[in-house]
Amino acid sequence: DTAVSQTPKYLVTQMGNDKSIKCEQNLGHDTMYWYKQDSKKFLKIMFSYNNKELIINETVPNRFSPKSPDKAHLNLHINSLELGDSAVYFCASSQRVPAEQYFGPGTRLTVT
Amino acid sequence: QKEVEQNSGPLSVPEGAIASLNCTYSDRGSQSFFWYRQYSGKSPELIMSIYSNGDKEDGRFTAQLNKASQYVSLLIRDSQPSDSATYLCAVNLDRGSTLGRLYFGRGTQLTVWP
Repeated sequence: DTAVSQTPKYLVTQMGNDKSIKCEQNLGHDTMYWYKQDSKKFLKIMFSYNNKELIINETVPNRFSPKSPDKAHLNLHINSLELGDSAVYFCASSQRVPAEQYFGPGTRLTVT
Repeated sequence: QKEVEQNSGPLSVPEGAIASLNCTYSDRGSQSFFWYRQYSGKSPELIMSIYSNGDKEDGRFTAQLNKASQYVSLLIRDSQPSDSATYLCAVNLDRGSTLGRLYFGRGTQLTVWP
């Protein structure tokens, strides 16, 4: 009965490849988020969707493209991966905005 | 530049002591404040939220908010070794916004030694 789940947990890939991370929440929340946590553990928001509508789009390279097929799912597709994209990516969800956000287990992306 | 500042630590306290974690924020219009705990290699876990000035208690945790001073703190009473983690302060900085954009501090690493 995992609340917010992400796949895969680990992702190792080479520069220039395209990869996707998937997120699902079974909390019935309306809003979902993508965060990036860098090697210094700084957590920064990237995107947010509310009922499938993009509401937050931080200054992120356009190689990153989120997609929300329904309010329970939020995916992140990354094109032309670069070394600097190596980080842990967390998905989160909340019932309303602003509100308490609950995080998934994270996806550790390593670009070689 | 919207900022959330935390004592970088590390903070080390003996078991049974009170651990005090502090956070300041730059935007006076901030409305929502959260404390997350993150164990090494794990995801942030929400432990407290506070929206009004004053204290909010939940078990061994007390969050304190002072909007005039733009300051939020977390007290952990009777600290246990299992409390050893990084504590992240998060603030909704968008004045009047419903976007839910949380800004996080860089975290304070707490070690509770037996």
